[in-house]
Amino acid sequence: EIVLTQSPATLSVSSGERAALSCRTSQPINSNLAWYQQKPGQAPRLLIYGASTRATDFPPRFSGSGSETEFTLIISRVDSEDFAVYYCQQYHDWPFTFGQGTKLEIK
Amino acid sequence: QVQLVQSGAEVKKPGASVRVSCKTSGYTFTRYGINWVRQAPGQGLEWMGWISTGNGNTNYAQRLQGRVTMTTDTSTATAYMELRGLTSDDTAVYYCARDRGFEDNSGFPFWGQGSLVTVSS
Repeated sequence: EIVLTQSPATLSVSSGERAALSCRTSQPINSNLAWYQQKPGQAPRLLIYGASTRATDFPPRFSGSGSETEFTLIISRVDSEDFAVYYCQQYHDWPFTFGQGTKLEIK
Repeated sequence: QVQLVQSGAEVKKPGASVRVSCKTSGYTFTRYGINWVRQAPGQGLEWMGWISTGNGNTNYAQRLQGRVTMTTDTSTATAYMELRGLTSDDTAVYYCARDRGFEDNSGFPFWGQGSLVTVSS
């Protein structure tokens, strides 16, 4: 099973600041990585797939990069609506697996 | 529009089974696989498995093998997840989520609203 490790567990930023979230995988997965945003009481929302393709629902301040074992989600200027938990997920091999999440909180 | 509507909350006793349904609409059911993901209270997401709505093929998370069964009813465009031998560790919100594309597992853009399953004596 491919293990995903996200860091940091919690990231405190102020609105307008840049946020960088990391996801590392225990095996190379090419670009077979997705990112999700989840707010309390809601289902997750697909944010990024293919490591860098942004879903249409999300603004350009969100970007994804990386390949093989190192991936990054960047929020260029954090907006108040961005405070949430972010999960990475690999779909390179069965079983699909999620990281443990990074909570983006208001500083 | 694509919709996935799940069955309601359930309370089960340890050792019992639960079946959660996921009724879909707004697209051709048999062209997109369905995944099941669960989330224990205050915890992260756990992928449980996937079913092909075209031929019924499945892939399950190893730790759930033998306890979980995923099925579909193409006549009603509904997917089902049954979990047996429930313990308190199975208390969670259970989500169904559709594949992004035809034979394309690259992310889950559509999710059900979640079904809370509580296991308690």
